[in-house]
Order: sequence, then C-alpha cells, then structure tokens
Amino acid sequence: SQQGEEDPQALSIQEGENATMNCSYKTSINNLQWYRQNSGRGLVHLILIRSNEREKHSGRLRVTLDTSKKSSSLLITASRAADTASYFCATDAGTGGFKTIFGAGTRLFVKA
Amino acid sequence: EPEVTQTPSHQVTQMGQEVILRCVPISNHLYFYWYRQILGQKVEFLVSFYNNEISEKSEIFDDQFSVERPDGSNFTLKIRSTKLEDSAMYFCASRIQGLRGEVFGPGTRLTVL
Repeated sequence: SQQGEEDPQALSIQEGENATMNCSYKTSINNLQWYRQNSGRGLVHLILIRSNEREKHSGRLRVTLDTSKKSSSLLITASRAADTASYFCATDAGTGGFKTIFGAGTRLFVKA
Repeated sequence: EPEVTQTPSHQVTQMGQEVILRCVPISNHLYFYWYRQILGQKVEFLVSFYNNEISEKSEIFDDQFSVERPDGSNFTLKIRSTKLEDSAMYFCASRIQGLRGEVFGPGTRLTVL
C-alpha cells in the first residue's frame, strides 16, 4: 500500500504567497516528517511532528497533523524563489524510526 | 555543521558486476539508512541498521544487497550482481538517538549499462 501520498503533485505560486501541501498516509505512525529536495540532490529534514502533536512551527513552516484522518499539511508562508524544490512527507510506519516511508512528493515552483 | 558524506558521487558499472557504495555517517549518530531514488520517482527505503545489525529492510533489499559497518565510521551498501533496474540515486542517511530527523548524504548516482 502507498504510504505518504502528497497533493498536489505540483504547485506554482508567486513569491510572497503561501504554499500548502497535503499528505495522507495509511498505517499508524509514531511520527511524521517533512523533507525538502532540490533537483535530485540529498534530502533536507525540515520538521518532525509526533503522533500526539497537532501542530508545529519552525520559522516560516507550519505543520499540522490529524491522526484521525491520517493526514498532515505543510504550510510555507511568504514563499521565496529559494523555496522552489520538491517536498516530501515521510512516516515511520509505526516502526519507531527504523523504517521511513516517503510519499511521492509535491513539486513547488515559486516565481520571482 | 557535521555532514553525511558519500563516495563516489557517480558510479558506472556493467550489468552483473558488483558495486560497493560508501557512506560516512555523522560520528555520534546511531541509526543508519540506505534509500534509493529512481529518476523522477519517490525515495524508497532499502534498509536500516542499528547496533551493528539490520533493523528493518524493504522488499527491494533482496539477497543481492548487503550492508556493513566495517570499522565504526564507514557504512557500505554492496550490490552483488547489478541489474539495469538498479540504476538510481542511492542515498545514505544517519540519525542520532531519539526522535530526530535523518541527515541525508548527497547521494551516489549508480548507472548500470
């Protein structure tokens, strides 16, 4: 089964606008993470939210988690051209960190 | 800031050959991972390693694959007999104890001809 499916698959916005990406998953989790990837390079960890948390902030990032709906969202406020990248959600599939399952990702393009 | 490093950055090999991809995780990290990403597709979990043994592995990680931490600093992924479909970016990652995100290396691009 697919774990961590993001939508939209692609998002194009103007600099200064907010970008919202959503993720759904199927199995129980201990935590959910969001990563960024620039053009096939290594992934950069953005934020981790535990299953007993509902919202978390880090700078311009806001992540929500709804375990009843098995979904999460990533909001990037006041986007910049440098935010152009692919964003992936990833879950531990209940393994407590021994297995990280990534979604297909959202490709974000921020136009200057 | 500490980094995960991977060598080589690009490896070209003939089908059926063995390859070893090398990673140096961050020194105080305890959990180690290998992932692969076929061009344009999602990042796929291969294997995790903790306390000198495999913790979890995916269905992709069959008998052709093995991992080793030979000397306390390197973490290697060996593919015994490469196939065309093994062509992908291979990422190593490591994580410190506790609920933290993984730190990824820059990847090795493996091309099997």
